[in-house]
Amino acid sequence: AQTVTQSQPEMSVQEAETVTLSCTYDTSESDYYLFWYKQPPSRQMILVIRQEAYKQQNATENRFSVNFQKAAKSFSLKISDSQLGDAAMYFCAYRTSPQAAGNKLTFGGGTRVLVKP
Amino acid sequence: NAGVTQTPKFQVLKTGQSMTLQCAQDMNHNSMYWYRQDPGMGLRLIYYSASEGTTDKGEVPNGYNVSRLNKREFSLRLESAAPSQTSVYFCASSPGWADTQYFGPGTRLTVL
Repeated sequence: AQTVTQSQPEMSVQEAETVTLSCTYDTSESDYYLFWYKQPPSRQMILVIRQEAYKQQNATENRFSVNFQKAAKSFSLKISDSQLGDAAMYFCAYRTSPQAAGNKLTFGGGTRVLVKP
Repeated sequence: NAGVTQTPKFQVLKTGQSMTLQCAQDMNHNSMYWYRQDPGMGLRLIYYSASEGTTDKGEVPNGYNVSRLNKREFSLRLESAAPSQTSVYFCASSPGWADTQYFGPGTRLTVL
């Protein structure tokens, strides 16, 4: 079974600075997908970014970018130019390949991001 | 376009009571999912429906049943609620089997 580990329970960042959240995962598959979800106090889960394992290029969405290291099974999220609205819980998630049984997301335990004005 | 909606937003039950959590999506998605989130933890899959007419167990299905009523709606039923089922429940949907999932706002359930 796949496992996802987020080793940082909480990270603090100054507004306009950069913060990096770490995520590691364990899998024996070669084809899979990785995600970062944001959960603000409203509790809604919002997709931030996704990465296909077969793509070597790191995904980027505006101020959010990832560092995907497939061999190391590492998938970190960098938030640049942090804004007050970035304060939330961030969850790393793993999904099996489309050919595998089920479209199941396995989540890490989450990292709380605090943004200081 | 409301996306994924869930009702109710909050619910308090006594041990042994039953209830159904409702989920609907207006994005014409084929696949739908139910998750629970316990304090300080990530989400865990309870049940999913890959397409209309099919349902399958996820990681933590015990104590729950589901119904895929039609393409839009996917309900989660607790037949005899237990305090261990106190959690926040999220419904999600995706266009197809292998696509990104989109989440509803969640239902906070407390079982006394």
